[in-house]
Amino acid sequence: AQSVTQLDSHVSVSEGTPVLLRCNYSSSYSPSLFWYVQHPNKGLQLLLKYTSAATLVKGINGFEAEFKKSETSFHLTKPSAHMSDAAEYFCVVSERGSYIPTFGRGTSLIVHP
Amino acid sequence: DTGVSQDPRHKITKRGQNVTFRCDPISEHNRLYWYRQTLGQGPEFLTYFQNEAQLEKSRLLSDRFSAERPKGSFSTLEIQRTEQGDSAMYLCASSLGGISGANVLTFGAGSRLTVL
Repeated sequence: AQSVTQLDSHVSVSEGTPVLLRCNYSSSYSPSLFWYVQHPNKGLQLLLKYTSAATLVKGINGFEAEFKKSETSFHLTKPSAHMSDAAEYFCVVSERGSYIPTFGRGTSLIVHP
Repeated sequence: DTGVSQDPRHKITKRGQNVTFRCDPISEHNRLYWYRQTLGQGPEFLTYFQNEAQLEKSRLLSDRFSAERPKGSFSTLEIQRTEQGDSAMYLCASSLGGISGANVLTFGAGSRLTVL
């Protein structure tokens, strides 16, 4: 069975400081992992995906994530937060053979000026 | 192609009424998904289609819910005898399914249901 745990429901940072959103996953088989972002009143947008190639994945808007199998983690990072990064972020797992991605509960990123 | 379209964007109804949502996926995508999202939660899987075949349904999908994708293109999600607990955002997504590669979902903007 597959599942994801987003370790923080809210993360608050100041503009210009680094962002870290934490995600641990559980999967019986080789997983694909994703991060999606949801801005207020907007649809879910794919930030990046991991599909068993390079373990460090770069996405849009300066975000990146590192797949660590030994830690079953897929944390999302960004070196410097912008006000426009304030949104809800979802970690998603889809294990090999499953066509049904499972979402985490989300982490709300708050960016202070 | 302008992406995944959902209609209506907002629906307010009285308890006990029936509602129907429509989703138009990206035209070349063969998989279509319905998820439900309530405030403060992540999207929860409801059902998905590969072409016109409904391949899986969640236990969340009570018998008041029915989904169709008659010609493998657009899909409808109907909720009969709505209850206040059905109030949520209903999300549609589509993907280009294949043997290999990640199953990347593209989402629509959602249809928000409010049951009074």
